[in-house]
Amino acid sequence: DTAVSQTPKYLVTQMGNDKSIKCEQNLGHDTMYWYKQDSKKFLKIMFSYNNKELIINETVPNRFSPKSPDKAHLNLHINSLELGDSAVYFCASSGDTYEQYFGPGTRLTVT
Amino acid sequence: EDQVTQSPEALRLQEGESSSLNCSYTVSGLRGLFWYRQDPGKGPEFLFTLYSAGEEKEKERLKATLTKKESFLHITAPKPEDSATYLCAVQLNQAGTALIFGKGTTLSVSS
Repeated sequence: DTAVSQTPKYLVTQMGNDKSIKCEQNLGHDTMYWYKQDSKKFLKIMFSYNNKELIINETVPNRFSPKSPDKAHLNLHINSLELGDSAVYFCASSGDTYEQYFGPGTRLTVT
Repeated sequence: EDQVTQSPEALRLQEGESSSLNCSYTVSGLRGLFWYRQDPGKGPEFLFTLYSAGEEKEKERLKATLTKKESFLHITAPKPEDSATYLCAVQLNQAGTALIFGKGTTLSVSS
């Protein structure tokens, strides 16, 4: 069984479009995250979401908005996509032990 | 500023040639240090968590150790299947549960 899943795996779109990435975890974890991995493979936290509390990383443009319909799902919506948004986006989740388990990633390409 | 530095950036080994990867950190308050393995096109895979200086953990050919300023990932008699990027990350006491990652060490093991 897949612990953390993301859809789609690949997303190619044009500048200015709005897109969403979906994430689901079946680990029963309370906390979920979005990370961005740039072209140099550097992973950086974007958001963490614990139950109903959203912790926003101040370096993330407000074009990015996470939405959590329930504890097992955390989606990422991106408005007005820019070339610099091209990256791999990873969803992760953690429970009481703080170990984070990552999804397979969504490669976003903005043309 | 909280910082995680990994060295070397890349390491090439012959099969059976043991070595170590370094992760040094400068943080205001460490809750835990995490090691992950990332294969190309996949999400990071959790390996170890270390919480206090002197702690050691082992898994197959890998052994992670922690001091007050750095962590080492020792690889004993590596095999080609150990080739991957190894990521070090820290979790801070006062910053929620998000991870701060280093830039990784890419290990290549040839037979």
